[in-house]
Amino acid sequence: DTGVSQDPRHKITKRGQNVTFRCDPISEHNRLYWYRQTLGQGPEFLTYFQNEAQLEKSRLLSDRFSAERPKGSFSTLEIQRTEQGDSAMYLCASSPRQNTEAFFGQGTRLTVV
Amino acid sequence: AQSVTQLGSHVSVSEGALVLLRCNYSSSVPPYLFWYVQYPNQGLQLLLKYTSAATLVKGINGFEAEFKKSETSFHLTKPSAHMSDAAEYFCAVSLPVTGGGNKLTFGTGTQLKVEL
Repeated sequence: DTGVSQDPRHKITKRGQNVTFRCDPISEHNRLYWYRQTLGQGPEFLTYFQNEAQLEKSRLLSDRFSAERPKGSFSTLEIQRTEQGDSAMYLCASSPRQNTEAFFGQGTRLTVV
Repeated sequence: AQSVTQLGSHVSVSEGALVLLRCNYSSSVPPYLFWYVQYPNQGLQLLLKYTSAATLVKGINGFEAEFKKSETSFHLTKPSAHMSDAAEYFCAVSLPVTGGGNKLTFGTGTQLKVEL
């Protein structure tokens, strides 16, 4: 068990470009979450998967954001036409079943210039 | 809807002194409560959790927290601070719902500074 893995750890992109992040959860964890954390704030929930089904999306997840978990294992989070306001740490977490704690990855820090 | 309030965005203690980080929650149903720690440019590590069993919860690194329903509080304590405890601490709440996810709602965090 190597923990939740996120790639890349850091991403600098120009405004208007598209970016994609990957998250590999702990194996056999069927629940996967994405959070966004801006400087000086706590993480905010973006979206949640149970296996390959995306069961909940936050209002924070605008039309420019899309997340997938095609085979119920790894997940990707894509941001299209990035804006400076998208600069944040994007955290992925996974859990084995409902009502158990989530294990977080180290995050992907996005900087939009 | 649930929410978390962490009183004090910055707390400073001397090494060896008591650590007390405050967390109050609001929830329509009995919640699950968590404390996470975050070191710079890292993800979050679970310190401890309350899931409706014992109200006094012991976690890693000597931390503990007490769930007080009457005060809607879940304050984090450690008897003796160590330099390595310097980090940001987040209190979080989730609702135990059947078939639902474990969506966490976080407070804004408390930055703990430990001084010699």
